[in-house]
Amino acid sequence: AQSVTQLGSHVSVSEGALVLLRCNYSSSVPPYLFWYVQYPNQGLQLLLKYTTGATLVKGINGFEAEFKKSETSFHLTKPSAHMSDAAEYFCAVRGYGGATNKLIFGTGTLLAVQP
Amino acid sequence: ETGVTQSPTHLIKTRGQQVTLRCSSQSGHNTVSWYQQALGQGPQFIFQYYREEENGRGNFPPRFSGLQFPNYSSELNVNALELDDSALYLCAILRQGGNGYTFGSGTRLTVV
Repeated sequence: AQSVTQLGSHVSVSEGALVLLRCNYSSSVPPYLFWYVQYPNQGLQLLLKYTTGATLVKGINGFEAEFKKSETSFHLTKPSAHMSDAAEYFCAVRGYGGATNKLIFGTGTLLAVQP
Repeated sequence: ETGVTQSPTHLIKTRGQQVTLRCSSQSGHNTVSWYQQALGQGPQFIFQYYREEENGRGNFPPRFSGLQFPNYSSELNVNALELDDSALYLCAILRQGGNGYTFGSGTRLTVV
């Protein structure tokens, strides 16, 4: 079975500081991993995804994530936080088994950006 | 604009009632999934439809049901509403040849 753990339900950074949101996964098969962002009262927007190939994945809005199999991690980073990055971030792994491509989400990390 | 539209955006229902939520897409896809996101939680998979047939279900009771239509629209029906059904319901489509899901903005359901 697949699962995702996001460490830190709330993260606060200053504008211009490094953003690091942590995600660890569990999967019995090579994982497909995703990061989504959710702004208040909105749906989920895909930031980036890892399927196969290059382990450093670049996404939208300056975010990137690195797949580390040995650490079972897929942490999300951004070198310099902007006020508009304040949102909730979800890490997800694609489920396997049966005929489903369901996504299994973590509980989310709420990012606050201080001026 | 994600190309996935959900309606209504907000809805208030009374316990025991039935509700239908709708999802439509501007472009072709074979697979549509529905998720429930309770306040402060990550989305939970309800079920998935592929070519108008349910082909995967999460840990939700049978009173949660769905339909997928040939015109790229989909419905989520919930019978005998309970207070715990209050949540944001998200529709997600998997575009042909893609690995990532595109989500709609959701329907906020409140059961009182």
